[in-house]
Amino acid sequence: KQEVTQIPAALSVPEGENLVLNCSFTDSAIYNLQWFRQDPGKGLTSLLLIQSSQREQTSGRLNASLDKSSGRSTLYIAASQPGDSATYLCAVSSVHEAGTALIFGKGTTLSVSS
Amino acid sequence: GAVVSQHPSRVICKSGTSVKIECRSLDFQATTMFWYRQFPKQSLMLMATSNEGSKATYEQGVEKDKFLINHASLTLSTLTVTSAHPEDSSFYICSARDRWGPLPGELFFGEGSRLTVL
Repeated sequence: KQEVTQIPAALSVPEGENLVLNCSFTDSAIYNLQWFRQDPGKGLTSLLLIQSSQREQTSGRLNASLDKSSGRSTLYIAASQPGDSATYLCAVSSVHEAGTALIFGKGTTLSVSS
Repeated sequence: GAVVSQHPSRVICKSGTSVKIECRSLDFQATTMFWYRQFPKQSLMLMATSNEGSKATYEQGVEKDKFLINHASLTLSTLTVTSAHPEDSSFYICSARDRWGPLPGELFFGEGSRLTVL
């Protein structure tokens, strides 16, 4: 059974710092990996999706990498801003069926102070 | 990106009543929708997979008679919490996959519905 772990559970940094969020998964047979942002009491905003054949994706100040063989992904946030404060969720879907749901980690709650 | 609309965003009901939550894909067709539940400070737990025109597939431990799912069209799935109790209070989120989207497997999520059962 696929399990997704995210470290750290919480992170506090001053504005301007570069930071890395970590995600690991137990079954390397994934179809894709997706990073989301969730603000308190809100739904999910998709940040980046990495297909299993890809190694990384970039969007603005965000860069996500994927190492399928080791079961790891990282989300790099450059020059953090107070508006980046949120919970970041990592999720993977199985390679066995493209239509399977995503399995989520518990998230990393980020707080960026000004 | 594709938009998923969920309604209502908040609902408060008395114990024993039933509550229906709607999930719509606004600008795409979704043959498959997923329903998740999220307790405070916890991650999203998959409840069921909803397929258009067929019965939903429930995850282990989720009561199908309590959480009724209907996916009657390619753009609408509903979750009905029957005879709700305080322990059903939670944040329910739906998601959908764009069958014709450029990124196979990408899921789009609704804004969620917070249910409070008194």
